[in-house]
Amino acid sequence: QVQLQQWGAGLLKPSETLSLTCGVFGESSSDYHWIWIRQPPGKGLEWIGDINHRGTTTYNPSLMSRVTISVHTSKSQFSLKLSSVTAADTGVFYCATKRVGHFGMDVWGQGTTVTVSS
Amino acid sequence: EIVLTQSPGTLSLSPGERATLSCRASQSVTSSYLAWYQQKPGQAPRLLIYGPSSRAAGIPDRFSGSGSGTDFTLTISRLEPEDFAVYYCQQYGNSPWTFGQGTKVEIK
Repeated sequence: QVQLQQWGAGLLKPSETLSLTCGVFGESSSDYHWIWIRQPPGKGLEWIGDINHRGTTTYNPSLMSRVTISVHTSKSQFSLKLSSVTAADTGVFYCATKRVGHFGMDVWGQGTTVTVSS
Repeated sequence: EIVLTQSPGTLSLSPGERATLSCRASQSVTSSYLAWYQQKPGQAPRLLIYGPSSRAAGIPDRFSGSGSGTDFTLTISRLEPEDFAVYYCQQYGNSPWTFGQGTKVEIK
């Protein structure tokens, strides 16, 4: 069973770059999507994007110009970078994973609270 | 982008009652790639149902999912105290993947 543990800076100033990493622990085959999701305070969930087992990235069009998701296979990690943050980017960021195909996102990281404030 | 609309926004029920949550999509969900998640305060979401009627590992059989095309339903047959939470539907058949706005199931 895969487990995810995430880390990264929790307090940023406007215009800085958010950087989070998600470590993958336990057995995993190559057939996974590695996903980032965020949740503004008191609001619902928003899919940021994912990278699949072929290394193909897909991003939410609303964030595409500022987002980079990458995987570091040798370190069993994947990461999120979100540039030019503003207060609107404040919230909890989750990493998650799902197997390719009809499966849902069954493993989640613990979440990282990110606050953007001057 | 597929917009998912969940109803009702809030469901007030007593333990032991049946809960029926609806998720309607603005267009047909490809291959019925529709999932339901439960989220409690301060916790990450937990996968309940995917595809859209398969229970995730360890999920009690009082949770069931159904539907196809644009209309999907999550049913909790008899509410337990630990089931009071917010529930989200999500489609992952079309990019961008999208979530509904959530249904809060609260104790009446």
